[in-house]
Amino acid sequence: QSVLTQPPSASGTPGQRVTLSCFGSSSNIAGNTVNWYQQLPGTAPKVLIYNNDRRPSGVPDRFSGSRSGTAASLVISDLQSEDEGDYLCSAWDDSLSGPVFGGGTKLTVL
Amino acid sequence: QVQLVQSGAEVRKPGASVTVSCKASGYTFNSYYLYWVRQAPGQALEWMGRINPSDGSTRYAQKLQGRVTMTSDTSTSTVYMELSRLTSEDTAVYICARPGSNDAFDIWGQGTTVTVSS
Repeated sequence: QSVLTQPPSASGTPGQRVTLSCFGSSSNIAGNTVNWYQQLPGTAPKVLIYNNDRRPSGVPDRFSGSRSGTAASLVISDLQSEDEGDYLCSAWDDSLSGPVFGGGTKLTVL
Repeated sequence: QVQLVQSGAEVRKPGASVTVSCKASGYTFNSYYLYWVRQAPGQALEWMGRINPSDGSTRYAQKLQGRVTMTSDTSTSTVYMELSRLTSEDTAVYICARPGSNDAFDIWGQGTTVTVSS
């Protein structure tokens, strides 16, 4: 059981917009920044979003993040086939004094 | 290029200890903390602790206090994670990761599978 809760699966068709959610608590998401990672099959996680809504250079602006209260969201616009993979959220947890992670959402592009 | 390369898979019996290494290259070893996380089958990533390679200071997850020890060797740019008194619940993939300037983990090791079985 993960500290951050993510729906295990999501799907969309090419060109569609999908929203992935991440639910936490007052000790993590509500008071600390959220990072999102994309993990494609057989590869290490890659930072998609940091500090709630910032994109590293090289990440397309189709990816956007937001945080509200104890929840965070990752929006993928203009869904593409290469977006298929696992998406993981993470935040610092003040109670544990360390980072916590969601269980990941497996995104399927139909 | 910047990378973290971990040691190979391990099999241990319950009650034994295991040490996993993580060798850094392509950046200034002392300039970044290194974290250890693990992922048991079907479970989320779990933070285990972190080490500051420059001075060896550590912080461990409370759940693992007393069983985990992290050390660093600046001469080889390698950090080590030792976990003792293993049980079947320690069966997992162990991963070292480096936070970048934005505090997100930008470099990950390839993972080391540790299997605890009698």
